[in-house]
Amino acid sequence: GAGVSQTPSNKVTEKGKYVELRCDPISGHTALYWYRQSLGQGPEFLIYFQGTGAADDSGLPNDRFFAVRPEGSVSTLKIQRTERGDSAVYLCASSKVGQGRTNEQFFGPGTRLTVL
Amino acid sequence: LAKTTQPISMDSYEGQEVNITCSHNNIATNDYITWYQQFPSQGPRFIIQGYKTKVTNEVASLFIPADRKSSTLSLPRVSLSDTAVYYCLVGLSNNAGNMLTFGGGTRLMVKP
Repeated sequence: GAGVSQTPSNKVTEKGKYVELRCDPISGHTALYWYRQSLGQGPEFLIYFQGTGAADDSGLPNDRFFAVRPEGSVSTLKIQRTERGDSAVYLCASSKVGQGRTNEQFFGPGTRLTVL
Repeated sequence: LAKTTQPISMDSYEGQEVNITCSHNNIATNDYITWYQQFPSQGPRFIIQGYKTKVTNEVASLFIPADRKSSTLSLPRVSLSDTAVYYCLVGLSNNAGNMLTFGGGTRLMVKP
């Protein structure tokens, strides 16, 4: 069956621009997570949705980052006024309802964001 | 600062057993401990998950002591295709609450 998909796979932008990254979770998965991963490091938690609402957004680094999931399926991560330090791979994952936020997560391939 | 700690890298040979330990002193009470495998240019892939004691599935075992401050992933009889980065994922408690936290990853190199 279809896994988690993320678009675009690569995004190059200029400092100060606005970007949107999209995640299509596995159908029926109610939980959705966003992480970012810098080269050689583990994924860093950003935000976790249960259905349409953000259950935990404590990982968003500042108010330039925002994520939505209006219908409880597709999610969009939005970054305003991008900075070079935002360059990373942004990973999305989804999971079924189960053992809370640490339930088995299925990851997408990521979006590689490069800010010039 | 609450964090998870793993060895940066490990080397092994085909057919050997590999054990990778993750330390997580401030693990949140209700969260499971999960391990993931990641190949280059791919998202992490679930390996195994547990809450306490020992869990075994078709690819790995997970050992968790009673205090849950660490966990050990055991890969029996590794093959070349097990060369990858392995991460533990836990919820960690700190003054601000608790947050899902990946370890820094252990890069496993399996040699013929």
